[in-house]
Amino acid sequence: EPEVTQTPSHQVTQMGQEVILRCVPISNHLYFYWYRQILGQKVEFLVSFYNNEISEKSEIFDDQFSVERPDGSNFTLKIRSTKLEDSAMYFCASSVGTGGQPQHFGDGTRLSIL
Amino acid sequence: QKEVEQDPGPLSVPEGAIVSLNCTYSNSAFQYFMWYRQYSRKGPELLMYTYSSGNKEDGRFTAQVDKSSKYISLFIRDSQPSDSATYLCAIESNYQLIWGAGTKLIIKP
Repeated sequence: EPEVTQTPSHQVTQMGQEVILRCVPISNHLYFYWYRQILGQKVEFLVSFYNNEISEKSEIFDDQFSVERPDGSNFTLKIRSTKLEDSAMYFCASSVGTGGQPQHFGDGTRLSIL
Repeated sequence: QKEVEQDPGPLSVPEGAIVSLNCTYSNSAFQYFMWYRQYSRKGPELLMYTYSSGNKEDGRFTAQVDKSSKYISLFIRDSQPSDSATYLCAIESNYQLIWGAGTKLIIKP
């Protein structure tokens, strides 16, 4: 069964550094998403992406964050000037469409900011 | 008022029991409802999705939506130790999923 893959599984970065999280969505999916889950808290939406544009973003997704689909298979989340509070699990998801089309998730990247 | 509320548990039941997991939501405009299962150190895994009131069944799992009460449920029949996980309800709105807190379920052998 096709799946969403994320790399790396664990990323350790010094505060203030830039980090890029990578995702390969399911190949025929058109919508891509990033979510994060701080330890012990709810899953939170960051951004959705369709047709090379951001469709929706949350208040969390400020100028520190950016997304890109650099080629036909990868979808990346860049976090500039990382802060301690950016430490979380980051999940990538993809879907065929919206309006009830389910989102399928990768196993996440655990980001630890030191 | 939080958009989606879910009791975090933990909920501990003996093997073979019927499990009932529930969420309430605040916005009557919500239409698309999903249940995910999450094992430790893994991503959310889709279990069920539905967009209408009523029941949807898949094997041992039944998803139920009551739009008049703004209440969604997931029932697990003949629960197994391998069902031990965190179960999250999620509602699609405006290109995003809005999540419950997740209920930690423990099935005791």
